[in-house]
Amino acid sequence: DGGITQSPKYLFRKEGQNVTLSCEQNLNHDAMYWYRQDPGQGLRLIYYSQIVNDFQKGDIAEGYSVSREKKESFPLTVTSAQKNPTAFYLCASKTSGSVGYEQYFGPGTRLTVT
Amino acid sequence: QKEVEQNSGPLSVPEGAIASLNCTYSDRVSQSFFWYRQYSGKSPELIMSIYSNGDKEDGRFTAQLNKASQYVSLLIRDSQPSDSATYLCAVGQTGANNLFFGTGTRLTVIP
Repeated sequence: DGGITQSPKYLFRKEGQNVTLSCEQNLNHDAMYWYRQDPGQGLRLIYYSQIVNDFQKGDIAEGYSVSREKKESFPLTVTSAQKNPTAFYLCASKTSGSVGYEQYFGPGTRLTVT
Repeated sequence: QKEVEQNSGPLSVPEGAIASLNCTYSDRVSQSFFWYRQYSGKSPELIMSIYSNGDKEDGRFTAQLNKASQYVSLLIRDSQPSDSATYLCAVGQTGANNLFFGTGTRLTVIP
């Protein structure tokens, strides 16, 4: 089955700890994205990557880091510098270029930091 | 000014009725428009994409785009209780790989 997987589904951490969220896709998509969703708010872009070994900051990158060592994988690290990390984190991917603008989402990771 | 605006709702319609969801956007050069459905606690699921002015139909769903007025809408015919969800409008701009999302409209279909 082709798709986007995120793990874990739920994650609990103590304040001050870094945590890494996994995102893998087997759709052969070039571009991958990380969004954050808070109650009552739309999706906010954290980071995105259009090709391997390259990524750009989105609107709310502070306190987060990413890597893109493989086309299939785009892990997100939530660092202790992120002031309000509790949220629903969504990974998405799409093909690059002029054909296919649709972004497809993984199932999400719900992070709770206490 | 928000890039993409939606009425947050909730919008309630009886089963079998037509649900009409609206979205306006601020950037005139936006080129791609999407509707996602998000059930509570789940991730967004793409249900419609539209790139040209006019209507695009897919089953019970019709997306309508009017670039001159900068709005895009989604009509759901013969609404079912299973259509109860939050519907997100997303807009893509020329030369950008990113999408801008509205905050979503919560739809409830009453049996």
